Amino acid sequence: DGGITQSPKYLFRKEGQNVTLSCEQNLNHDAMYWYRQDPGQGLRLIYYSQIVNDFQKGDIAEGYSVSREKKESFPLTVTSAQKNPTAFYLCASGWGLGEAFFGQGTRLTVV
Amino acid sequence: GQQLNQSPQSMFIQEGEDVSMNCTSSSIFNTWLWYKQEPGEGPVLLIALYKAGELTSNGRLTAQFGITRKDSFLNISASIPSDVGIYFCAGPYTDKLIFGTGTRLQVFP
Repeated sequence: DGGITQSPKYLFRKEGQNVTLSCEQNLNHDAMYWYRQDPGQGLRLIYYSQIVNDFQKGDIAEGYSVSREKKESFPLTVTSAQKNPTAFYLCASGWGLGEAFFGQGTRLTVV
Repeated sequence: GQQLNQSPQSMFIQEGEDVSMNCTSSSIFNTWLWYKQEPGEGPVLLIALYKAGELTSNGRLTAQFGITRKDSFLNISASIPSDVGIYFCAGPYTDKLIFGTGTRLQVFP
């Protein structure tokens, strides 16, 4: 089936540890995005990529890193520099600047 | 940076009522997207609009691309309990996709 897959759905991390969230799509989309959502809040853009081997910082990139080595994959690393990493992370993909489609999200909790 | 403002912030309505919400921007947009998000899930695309003045329906949902290109509207007719969720507008701004602040809809039987 075509779609966008995020894994894992739930993730627990100890303070001071880096953690990588996976996002894979088989829709042949050029663009991929990472958003962060806090309880009762909207979506804030962390990083985005319009093409392989290129990505740009969004509004809240500090403490995060990404790579785009393959068209299908856009992993997000939450580093120990991110001071408040507990949140719901959403990955999306689309063609250029049109419609984007989301994965089911990863809920990260720092323990 | 550019923001998309949605109103109302939240709505509490009775089943069967019609719902209207809007999304405004200080900049011109060439595309407007409307999404619905249910608890614990990723947003799902409901309607996409590409032309000023365009009116598009998806079942009981109707969305309009404002003629000024700085706003968009979403209407839900005859609401049902499964309409509960957060509705987001979105649009491309420079080289990225940005989202509105959301309208939280609660439907009571």
